[in-house]
Amino acid sequence: DTGVSQDPRHKITKRGQNVTFRCDPISEHNRLYWYRQTLGQGPEFLTYFQNEAQLEKSRLLSDRFSAERPKGSFSTLEIQRTEQGDSAMYLCASSSLTSPYEQYFGPGTRLTVT
Amino acid sequence: AQSVTQPDIHITVSEGASLELRCNYSYGATPYLFWYVQSPGQGLQLLLKYFSGDTLVQGIKGFEAEFKRSQSSFNLRKPSVHWSDAAEYFCAVGAGQAGTALIFGKGTTLSVSS
Repeated sequence: DTGVSQDPRHKITKRGQNVTFRCDPISEHNRLYWYRQTLGQGPEFLTYFQNEAQLEKSRLLSDRFSAERPKGSFSTLEIQRTEQGDSAMYLCASSSLTSPYEQYFGPGTRLTVT
Repeated sequence: AQSVTQPDIHITVSEGASLELRCNYSYGATPYLFWYVQSPGQGLQLLLKYFSGDTLVQGIKGFEAEFKRSQSSFNLRKPSVHWSDAAEYFCAVGAGQAGTALIFGKGTTLSVSS
């Protein structure tokens, strides 16, 4: 079990640039989640996938954000036209259909927008 | 709306002393409740969970939590704290469709003094 992995671990970008993050879930997990965590706060839910279908999206997921999981395995989260307010830790988690509420988190991608 | 409150932002406990971290939730139905721990540079690790049944649940690393419906609480306890327990602790409730979107509290930072 290699756990949930995320790439890159750190990203620094200039305001207005686009960024893309990748998440590889635990291999047998069907569900994949994205959360955002800002300093001093708990993680906030963004969206989740069951296999390749995106089943729920938070109001936090503005039009500049898009997530995909094309083959039901890894997922990408893209932020277009980044803003300084997008600076945060982006966390990915996965869970199995048999234990959907037990979410296993990756180490996160820390985004800094300058 | 569902919410989670962790009243204590920062707690310091002496090594070997007992620990109790408080968590209150707001949720209309029977909640799914979780405690996660986050160490610097690490992802969130699930300590324990409550879905139903026995209101006292045991988790990893010697932690336990008690669900009290009348108080809308799910406090985390440990009888003897070790220096390695210093970390940030998050309480969460499962919400959204089928309880899959976790709503987290703001976290409690635990420091352990020698």
